[in-house]
Amino acid sequence: RKEVEQDPGPFNVPEGATVAFNCTYSNSASQSFFWYRQDCRKEPKLLMSVYSSGNEDGRFTAQLNRASQYISLLIRDSKLSDSATYLCVVNLLPGGTSYGKLTFGQGTILTVHP
Amino acid sequence: DTEVTQTPKHLVMGMTNKKSLKCEQHMGHRAMYWYKQKAKKPPELMFVYSYEKLSINESVPSRFSPECPNSSLLNLHLHALQPEDSALYLCASSQGAQERKEAFFGQGTRLTVV
Repeated sequence: RKEVEQDPGPFNVPEGATVAFNCTYSNSASQSFFWYRQDCRKEPKLLMSVYSSGNEDGRFTAQLNRASQYISLLIRDSKLSDSATYLCVVNLLPGGTSYGKLTFGQGTILTVHP
Repeated sequence: DTEVTQTPKHLVMGMTNKKSLKCEQHMGHRAMYWYKQKAKKPPELMFVYSYEKLSINESVPSRFSPECPNSSLLNLHLHALQPEDSALYLCASSQGAQERKEAFFGQGTRLTVV
């Protein structure tokens, strides 16, 4: 079983649509979780951290379910500029270490069309 | 400022060459990372340095040799590489003291081995 699993998509949605991405992780000791986006031939960029209580940043909402080891990202009112690969990232190390072991899911490709 | 700077941006090298990739950050981060990313795949962790000491080596072949001269710099020395080592090499850093360990990535070095 992969340590971090994502639905690879691709997702093709019209502008204005709502789209949801899901991710599961295998290590119950994992303490921190993130969504990154990566544009073609660019580096991954932090989109948002994922907190246990759920968190929102504008059109983006992230949820974490520790019991199910499940993470989600919801994008509302999709824009053309949201087209990218969305990467679910889990720090496999427990808290207290001075570094992380960030492990990436395989990524979900999103294309938003006019 | 969340900038990680990598040089060079592109590198073409022969299988008998020796070259080095360089990474620099001035965010005071004490954890630095090397990742390798092949086309259409997620980044894969290679090495982690914490407080200038090698903390994780993900069974990387010895033709890749990391070095952390000080808390701001991270190098990756390359020697006798194979064509299959062609990839995007990403450097990242994170604030070791914080629990969340979100990492910030440089733009990467696109390496081609001929």
